[in-house]
Amino acid sequence: DTEVTQTPKHLVMGMTNKKSLKCEQHMGHRAMYWYKQKAKKPPELMFVYSYEKLSINESVPSRFSPECPNSSLLNLHLHALQPEDSALYLCASSHGDRTRGNTIYFGEGSWLTVV
Amino acid sequence: AQSVTQPDIHITVSEGASLELRCNYSYGATPYLFWYVQSPGQGLQLLLKYFSGDTLVQGIKGFEAEFKRSQSSFNLRKPSVHWSDAAEYFCAVGVGSYIPTFGRGTSLIVHP
Repeated sequence: DTEVTQTPKHLVMGMTNKKSLKCEQHMGHRAMYWYKQKAKKPPELMFVYSYEKLSINESVPSRFSPECPNSSLLNLHLHALQPEDSALYLCASSHGDRTRGNTIYFGEGSWLTVV
Repeated sequence: AQSVTQPDIHITVSEGASLELRCNYSYGATPYLFWYVQSPGQGLQLLLKYFSGDTLVQGIKGFEAEFKRSQSSFNLRKPSVHWSDAAEYFCAVGVGSYIPTFGRGTSLIVHP
């Protein structure tokens, strides 16, 4: 069982819609991540929040907007997406402690289809 | 920067047979090493990890992996595969608090 919870599990949206993906973790982790994954490919890092501040943005288009309301929650706001943005979006978290190695724990993902 | 190679895109085994999935990394120091499994339609689940100490690491679901410094490898093994083990397997390599780099994945197919 994963301790990183993502909602919704499935989302279908039109190219003019605005929607959000939500993620929650209760492991006391201080780093949270958004990854994008296409079929049969490894996950691609999009954003990293460390201690609730955006620390990494991997040149993601502005139609994806992350938000970290507190240390347990992470949102990904979606607007004006393209069909090629259809993918599995994975939220993840880690301790963020240099002395403990950076073990990343993933949620079950949100399947996004853009029509 | 660290890199990780999973040389096999697909591996096919019969149920009950043994399994070894290969992972090689490139980095000057000893990195942190991980194996994840992704079943169809699911997220990635951590199978096991190596940080230091005993080079043979036991994980969940009956998997183990051995770190071999001389070969820069961290291969995943299971003595007897079950049909439910069919999935995508990802090796990942990390250094310190840096974000691990994932290999391209190996797809495991299990024949009855």
